Amino acid sequence: AQKITQTQPGMFVQEKEAVTLDCTYDTSDPSYGLFWYKQPSSGEMIFLIYQGSYDQQNATEGRYSLNFQKARKSANLVISASQLGDSAMYFCAMRALTQGGSEKLVFGKGTKLTVNP
Amino acid sequence: GAVVSQHPSWVICKSGTSVKIECRSLDFQATTMFWYRQFPKQSLMLMATSNEGSKATYEQGVEKDKFLINHASLTLSTLTVTSAHPEDSSFYICSASRLAETYNEQFFGPGTRLTVL
Repeated sequence: AQKITQTQPGMFVQEKEAVTLDCTYDTSDPSYGLFWYKQPSSGEMIFLIYQGSYDQQNATEGRYSLNFQKARKSANLVISASQLGDSAMYFCAMRALTQGGSEKLVFGKGTKLTVNP
Repeated sequence: GAVVSQHPSWVICKSGTSVKIECRSLDFQATTMFWYRQFPKQSLMLMATSNEGSKATYEQGVEKDKFLINHASLTLSTLTVTSAHPEDSSFYICSASRLAETYNEQFFGPGTRLTVL
């Protein structure tokens, strides 16, 4: 079964600095996908970035980049030039199959990021 | 971008009553819709997966008779919490899936906060 581990319950970063949020995963599937979502206090889940297991390069989306190390089974999120609005919960997730054959997401426990001015 | 709406955004009800939550994909037809539950400061837990016109697939431990899911069309899924009790108080989030280039994207609704008195 797929499993996502986020070991950092909370992280603090100074505004304008970079921060790395850790995510390790476990799966026996040769093909898989990893996602990062941001959840502000309002509750909505905001998609940030996706990395496929066969992607040759690490994914990047603006200030977000994914440090994908396949051999170590890690998919850390790097946020550059942190902004106050980045303060939120961040969830790492992995694609998995439901009993009915649909694709679902398995989430980690999340990391609460606080950006200090 | 793809937009998913949920209604209501919050609801307070008395113990023993039923509550219906709607999830709509506004500008795309969703192949699959998902219902999640999130307790305070915890991760999202998948409750069930639904496809239009077929019965929902429930995750292990989720009571089918308590959480009724109807997927009437490619743009609408409803979750009914029957005979709600205070322990059902939670944040319920739906998502709708659409096939992207290489993976199924999930777009999340803004969530519904249910409080059962």
